[in-house]
Amino acid sequence: AAGVIQSPRHLIKEKRETATLKCYPIPRHDTVYWYQQGPGQDPQFLISFYEKMQSDKGSIPDRFSAQQFSDYHSELNMSSLELGDSALYFCASSRDGLQETQYFGPGTRLLVL
Amino acid sequence: AQKITQTQPGMFVQEKEAVTLDCTYDTSDPSYGLFWYKQPSSGEMIFLIYQGSYDQQNATEGRYSLNFQKARKSANLVISASQLGDSAMYFCAMREDSPEYGNKLVFGAGTILRVKS
Repeated sequence: AAGVIQSPRHLIKEKRETATLKCYPIPRHDTVYWYQQGPGQDPQFLISFYEKMQSDKGSIPDRFSAQQFSDYHSELNMSSLELGDSALYFCASSRDGLQETQYFGPGTRLLVL
Repeated sequence: AQKITQTQPGMFVQEKEAVTLDCTYDTSDPSYGLFWYKQPSSGEMIFLIYQGSYDQQNATEGRYSLNFQKARKSANLVISASQLGDSAMYFCAMREDSPEYGNKLVFGAGTILRVKS
């Protein structure tokens, strides 16, 4: 079965640079969620989109922005990167966004030097 | 207050034995979902099992079962016949269904499980 696709899988950036993470949800899933997992931490919700509209917002820094496109893929844009942004970034998708299981992608491991 | 509490930072289990990973939760929302995810050392987050707050029966998925005790607000994961490949971090998560909470998952701190041969 098709899974959530994330690219790139690994990314190394320097402080103050920008990064763009991409997420391609499972086919026919219309809801995308972004989570950030710091080293040794549990995942923390950042932001979600349902039918290309932002549906919920969590602890996402103002330096980050995201959107969902007409083909339902989503991008997380991160600017002015800081050392503390080093983390595993997960995208998850679900169908309808209501009481449906979220399936996670493999994650993008971001290292900020 | 923590919404999801996993009190066992780490657990050992002998191969082929059963193990229970504890999870308690806190919510005043009558409608919610409880999830368990497995995270191997490679990092991916694998969905294991789901229990809805209105489900009358405990969820089961192969070797995984969820011991749901609503009055005690606990949702323990039971893994039967442990295998070496079960060694991983296990996260309990909750989704509260009221619109004010969105559909985000809130995770516990996780339990590292090590299966011994």
